Amino acid sequence: GAVVSQHPSWVICKSGTSVKIECRSLDFQATTMFWYRQFPKQSLMLMATSNEGSKATYEQGVEKDKFLINHASLTLSTLTVTSAHPEDSSFYICSAREGGRRNQPQHFGDGTRLSIL
Amino acid sequence: AQSVTQLGSHVSVSEGALVLLRCNYSSSVPPYLFWYVQYPNQGLQLLLKYTSAATLVKGINGFEAEFKKSETSFHLTKPSAHMSDAAEYFCAVTPAGGTSYGKLTFGQGTILTVHP
Repeated sequence: GAVVSQHPSWVICKSGTSVKIECRSLDFQATTMFWYRQFPKQSLMLMATSNEGSKATYEQGVEKDKFLINHASLTLSTLTVTSAHPEDSSFYICSAREGGRRNQPQHFGDGTRLSIL
Repeated sequence: AQSVTQLGSHVSVSEGALVLLRCNYSSSVPPYLFWYVQYPNQGLQLLLKYTSAATLVKGINGFEAEFKKSETSFHLTKPSAHMSDAAEYFCAVTPAGGTSYGKLTFGQGTILTVHP
C-alpha cells in the first residue's frame, strides 16, 4: 500500500520551455502533497506544500511564479517548471501524506530528473 | 528551528556485521522522527517512524531505531547487514506542533556501503 507514482522519470528539454511533473497517490487519498528538490550528493530541500483545493505554500526562497503547483484532486498534484533554464536542472521528488494527521509519514515518488540544455 | 544531524556521511560495514547509523535532533520538545532509505535515482522509502508511542521502533527489512530523549537521538540499527542494504539513509524530523508541524526536515544523509 501507500504507493506514489511520479512522471516522467527523466526529462531533457531546451532552455525556455516549460515542464510539467505529475505526482499521483495510487491507493490512498492525499490532501497534502510535498515537492522537494535534491541536488547531487545532497539532502532533500522542501520547495512547497501542496494542499488539495487551495493554493500551495512555498518555502522561503522558492519562486512561486517559476514553480507552479496545482493540486486539483485528492490523488494528483502537478509541478510545472516555467521557462526552465539550466540552473533549474535537478532531481525533483514529490511525496504524499497518508491520512489527515500531520505526524503521519510521507510516501515518496521515484523522482524526476530534469535536465535543461 | 528544527534540525537533524546525521553523524558520518559514509559508513562501511562487512556483510553480516552490525549496522549503526546515527541521528541526533535539536528540539526542546520531542519531535516525530522518521528514517528513510534511498536507492540510486529513486525516491525515498519509509523504514520506520517514531510518533511518541513505543521508544523502540521496528521497521522493515530488519531495521529498528530507539528514541532516546535524554540523548536527543534516534539511531538506526540492524543486527546483520546484507549486501542489499547498501544505499543512502536519511533521518527526518517534524516538530510536534507549530507552523512547521507536518513538514519534514532531512539530515544530510549517510551512505551505507556493505562489502563481502
